[in-house]
Formats: sequence, C-alpha cells, structure tokens
Amino acid sequence: DGGITQSPKYLFRKEGQNVTLSCEQNLNHDAMYWYRQDPGQGLRLIYYSQIVNDFQKGDIAEGYSVSREKKESFPLTVTSAQKNPTAFYLCASSIEGSDTLGYYGYTFGSGTRLTVV
Amino acid sequence: KNEVEQSPQNLTAQEGEFITINCSYSVGISALHWLQQHPGGGIVSLFMLSSGKKKHGRLIATINIQEKHSSLHITASHPRDSAVYICAVHDGNQFYFGTGTSLTVIP
Repeated sequence: DGGITQSPKYLFRKEGQNVTLSCEQNLNHDAMYWYRQDPGQGLRLIYYSQIVNDFQKGDIAEGYSVSREKKESFPLTVTSAQKNPTAFYLCASSIEGSDTLGYYGYTFGSGTRLTVV
Repeated sequence: KNEVEQSPQNLTAQEGEFITINCSYSVGISALHWLQQHPGGGIVSLFMLSSGKKKHGRLIATINIQEKHSSLHITASHPRDSAVYICAVHDGNQFYFGTGTSLTVIP
C-alpha cells in the first residue's frame, strides 16, 4: 500500500544535539512538506519541496534544515539552533505541488514526537 | 488573528448523537480540507471541498464559499469517531490550518 512513513515515532534528544527525522513516501508525489504541531496551535509549515533538489522555507524554518536528494525522501534535521524543538512533527506529500488537490492528493505521515531532555 | 477559526474547541457527545463542527476562514481559497487526527498523531484527509457538499458514510461536509464557512457533520456518532478534527484551507499557495476540534464520543 502506498503511503508516508515517518520514523521514529518517538525521539528523545539532549540539548545541543542535532537530530534528523525521516520521511519516506512511495506515492510518487512531487511535493513534500514538514509541519510542526504544538498544543493549542494549528500546524505550522517548516519547509516544503516541490521538486527534487529544491526546497523552500516555510513560516518557521529557523533552526531547521532539509534535503531532497530523492523524490521519495525528505529528511528534516532539527539543529541545536532551534530554541524550542520539543513538538510533534508531521510530514506530508501532495501531487504536483500545492496547486493540485485531489481527494487523496494530500497525504500525511503518522508523525514523530520529539522531546528534548 | 488566525486565518482559520474552528468551533467548538472541545466537544463531548453521547453515542448516537448528531455532531457538527464549524470552520470559518478569512482568506480566498481554492479548496478546503477536513482532516482527522487520531490519538496516536496520524492524520488522514476526510474531505476536500471547493463547493457544495460531500458525503462519505456517516460523514457529511458542506461549504459556503460566499460566507467563507464550512461544516463537518457526523451522524449516529460512535466512540471510534473520537479524534481531533482539523479544518485546513488552501489559497493556491499554501495551507492554513485551524487549531482543531477535539471530539470525544462516550458509549
């Protein structure tokens, strides 16, 4: 079955350490996105990529980095520069970028809960 | 001010009740999604609407473009419907998300 796989589901990090969250999709979607979810707030866009080897900053990109070397993969690195990294991180993908929205055109992963200890 | 406002924030219902969740938005949109987030965190897209009404099983979604308002209805609610329901609108460039409505259906 096609879908998005995020790993790990739970992640603990010590302050000052970088950590990379994995996101893989086998839907052949062109665009991929990373969102952050905090209690009481809507999803906020961190980074997005509409094509391989290209990505754009979202609303809260500071302290994060991404790469898009393969269509299937869009890993997110939470760097030590991110002041408040404890959150729930969701990866998503869509067909042909943000202009095409079919019923199943926008798919979310199951998320990674990052806790800084 | 958020571009997308949902109400209520929290909702508790008895099994079998008819449930309505409302979403108002302030931006011009190309489409509106209703999303369901399960307790484990995974999100699924229930509906994508650009006009009118859609129905899937016990779920009905409506949208009024002129009034910039959408509703999600659940008929004959069941405990397995307990989840957070999120309204998301797309303006042609990006998504804007509501903060979600947490629904608990009691047996």
